[in-house]
Amino acid sequence: QKEVEQNSGPLSVPEGAIASLNCTYSDRGSQSFFWYRQYSGKSPELIMSIYSNGDKEDGRFTAQLNKASQYVSLLIRDSQPSDSATYLCAVKAEYGNKLVFGAGTILRVKS
Amino acid sequence: DTEVTQTPKHLVMGMTNKKSLKCEQHMGHRAMYWYKQKAKKPPELMFVYSYEKLSINESVPSRFSPECPNSSLLNLHLHALQPEDSALYLCASSQDRTYGYTFGSGTRLTVV
Repeated sequence: QKEVEQNSGPLSVPEGAIASLNCTYSDRGSQSFFWYRQYSGKSPELIMSIYSNGDKEDGRFTAQLNKASQYVSLLIRDSQPSDSATYLCAVKAEYGNKLVFGAGTILRVKS
Repeated sequence: DTEVTQTPKHLVMGMTNKKSLKCEQHMGHRAMYWYKQKAKKPPELMFVYSYEKLSINESVPSRFSPECPNSSLLNLHLHALQPEDSALYLCASSQDRTYGYTFGSGTRLTVV
């Protein structure tokens, strides 16, 4: 079983729609969860972090965490073509300073 | 300064060459990392430095040699690389084990 799992996509949504990206993780003791956006040929950019159960909103982005289900999600409202990228879910293990990435979900927003 | 700076941005080297990648941050972060990313794959952890000491080596071949001269600098020394080592090498730093990592723009390495 992979430590962090994501659907590779591509996930295609029309401009203005809500994009929903999902991630599950295997280490039940994990405490820190992150979403990174990576454009083709560029480095990952941190867009959201979440540490406790529930929702966290930042502009058009909402991260959701459910530790009991070991599930993290990212909602992007009013999706724009500029949101087209690979979204990487990353989980920090309970012990040790190690950030583990999922394989990433490709998002395509069509205008 | 909220950036991690990596140099060079691109590097082409032969299999017998010795080269070094450099990473610098001035955010006061005490943990620094090297990741390797192949095309269409997620970043893979190579090394972790915490308070200038190597704390994690993910069984990386000895042809990759990390060095942390001080809390702001991280180097990756390369020697006798193979073509399959061609990848994007990413440096990152973090404030502590709780916070997310800030990545540099990466070095695109090609081994010929």
